[in-house]
Amino acid sequence: DADVTQTPRNRITKTGKRIMLECSQTKGHDRMYWYRQDPGLGLQLIYYSFDVKDINKGEISDGYSVSRQAQAKFSLSLESAIPNQTALYFCATRGQGINETQYFGPGTRLLVL
Amino acid sequence: GESVGLHLPTLSVQEGDNSIINCAYSNSASDYFIWYKQESGKGPQFIIDIRSNMDKRQGQRVTVLLNKTVKHLSLQIAATQPGDSAVYFCAEKRGSTLGRLYFGRGTQLTVWP
Repeated sequence: DADVTQTPRNRITKTGKRIMLECSQTKGHDRMYWYRQDPGLGLQLIYYSFDVKDINKGEISDGYSVSRQAQAKFSLSLESAIPNQTALYFCATRGQGINETQYFGPGTRLLVL
Repeated sequence: GESVGLHLPTLSVQEGDNSIINCAYSNSASDYFIWYKQESGKGPQFIIDIRSNMDKRQGQRVTVLLNKTVKHLSLQIAATQPGDSAVYFCAEKRGSTLGRLYFGRGTQLTVWP
């Protein structure tokens, strides 16, 4: 897990505020993902990126945006946070080739009041 | 609709017993499956994977079985230990989805001493 880091680990914010979650990886992987996890539900894909110039929407991209600043960095933004975006957010990475495993960061717990 | 799901939301076992966690999938085009373990406050951790051209794969104390006929996946943990207590997720890669993973809701495994 130390290969994929997320900041902050916990965040409390108010409705309407802009917030950015950061993800960095030292695995040298080109593919990066942002997921959201809600209690009792599986991981839902928000956005993913196959390289620096490639950004793709996932299943639940509304209300979110991303930026792939470099191969190692992928940030998730909530332009105007709302309470139903309270959740656990995970970043994941995956390399090229036949190994299709995704490796996850430790997560960011976000509370929107 | 199509989904990745789990038969049981919770499983309690005695230390030393074997555990079996089940997962059903409905997409016949799925060609790769992963089991993840998620401990409280941590990100999902890769346990074991299997491709659709295999029926069984073994790791250290874990075995994954794939039955494509009934679209069923299971994770067997031998000699379950307290440290195995966690939520276990299955994930599938559907053949035409550029490597995206779809996750089940998870099963909470509790190991009693």
